[in-house]
Amino acid sequence: ETGVTQSPTHLIKTRGQQVTLRCSSQSGHNTVSWYQQALGQGPQFIFQYYREEENGRGNFPPRFSGLQFPNYSSELNVNALELDDSALYLCASSLGTSGSHNEQFFGPGTRLTVL
Amino acid sequence: DQQVKQNSPSLSVQEGRISILNCDYTNSMFDYFLWYKKYPAEGPTFLISISSIKDKNEDGRFTVFLNKSAKHLSLHIVPSQPGDSAVYFCAASVTGSQGNLIFGKGTKLSVKP
Repeated sequence: ETGVTQSPTHLIKTRGQQVTLRCSSQSGHNTVSWYQQALGQGPQFIFQYYREEENGRGNFPPRFSGLQFPNYSSELNVNALELDDSALYLCASSLGTSGSHNEQFFGPGTRLTVL
Repeated sequence: DQQVKQNSPSLSVQEGRISILNCDYTNSMFDYFLWYKKYPAEGPTFLISISSIKDKNEDGRFTVFLNKSAKHLSLHIVPSQPGDSAVYFCAASVTGSQGNLIFGKGTKLSVKP
């Protein structure tokens, strides 16, 4: 059983650009959640996808969007990057929806720096 | 407005002693609480959880206590080991909130040999 993987590990972009971050969920997990962790803060929920549809969203603007694919991979897209988007982006996979408090397994994260 | 607060940014403990990490919350709707451990360059790893219908949950060296009236939970590690040195995050959720885990800022635990 493989764990959650994310790519790339690090990424540097400039303000106004667009970025795509990728996540490969643990095999069999049909739910993926994305979190943003700013320096010195805890992870903050961006959104969750369940069976390829957005299933819940935190307090993030529409320029944060996502996709989930049938092969358990997913993407986080951020348009019109701002300096404050610099953070560690974590994806977490789980089986089922959050209604049953299924354990979320986190990937190592992608460190995004916006200059 | 932080709904989950970990007021101690760091904690240093001697090997073999007890580590106590604290967490406070403000949202009375939270009904499930979790502790995650995070090493540098790795994602958070689930440690232990507790439902609001319980006041204690134990797993080996780790015990979580929940005091609903005080909106407070704590993680006890005994005995502490150097390998426990990491950042510990408290998180909370509401049933049906679609994966929305609310995390505290974390407490960095250092266990000295």
